[in-house]
Amino acid sequence: DADVTQTPRNRITKTGKRIMLECSQTKGHDRMYWYRQDPGLGLRLIYYSFDVKDINKGEISDGYSVSRQAQAKFSLSLESAIPNQTALYFCATSDPGLGYNEQFFGPGTRLTVL
Amino acid sequence: GENVEQHPSTLSVQEGDSAVIKCTYSDSASNYFPWYKQELGKGPQLIIDIRSNVGEKKDQRIAVTLNKTAKHFSLHITETQPEDSAVYFCAASDSWGKLQFGAGTQVVVTP
Repeated sequence: DADVTQTPRNRITKTGKRIMLECSQTKGHDRMYWYRQDPGLGLRLIYYSFDVKDINKGEISDGYSVSRQAQAKFSLSLESAIPNQTALYFCATSDPGLGYNEQFFGPGTRLTVL
Repeated sequence: GENVEQHPSTLSVQEGDSAVIKCTYSDSASNYFPWYKQELGKGPQLIIDIRSNVGEKKDQRIAVTLNKTAKHFSLHITETQPEDSAVYFCAASDSWGKLQFGAGTQVVVTP
């Protein structure tokens, strides 16, 4: 969905490096999410934010941090990357004012940690 | 917390046949059950959803059923076509809007 963009789309980094994944949205949604996708495990929630001043840990937040710079921007950081953080990362948004909880996903960032 | 199990993990069907994917959930407070389709190289996209006050919902060739008592819900795709080949995820959500996803089903439609 072009309304939710992620940069970079692909990244290869080395163990111990700090890396930031960025998400931007033009949908005007208050809620934003970061997920990690691994084969056979589906999508697992890392962090979520219900508005600019709200940050919450998800199911697998260890080793990650986030920053909600504005309503439209939500960044995910790996302070010291490790190989088992190699995965596909997705950002998503939602608007509870729509009356339901549909989440709109970005195209994903494929991260490889060597 | 919520736990969602999804079966099968892979499903191969002949073009024109039907495909069924089943999910179970654990939290009786869950009240929203979306299904997402993920094509190669793309993010998941909502294809159909159902709320806990409804037992069945249909949209052209796809339908979803929900059994609240048994805590399971299913996706049915009829008259499958090659473009239905993708990974499908079920999910369950409580009133806070957080989704718990199943592990996914790789559907392959063979001509």
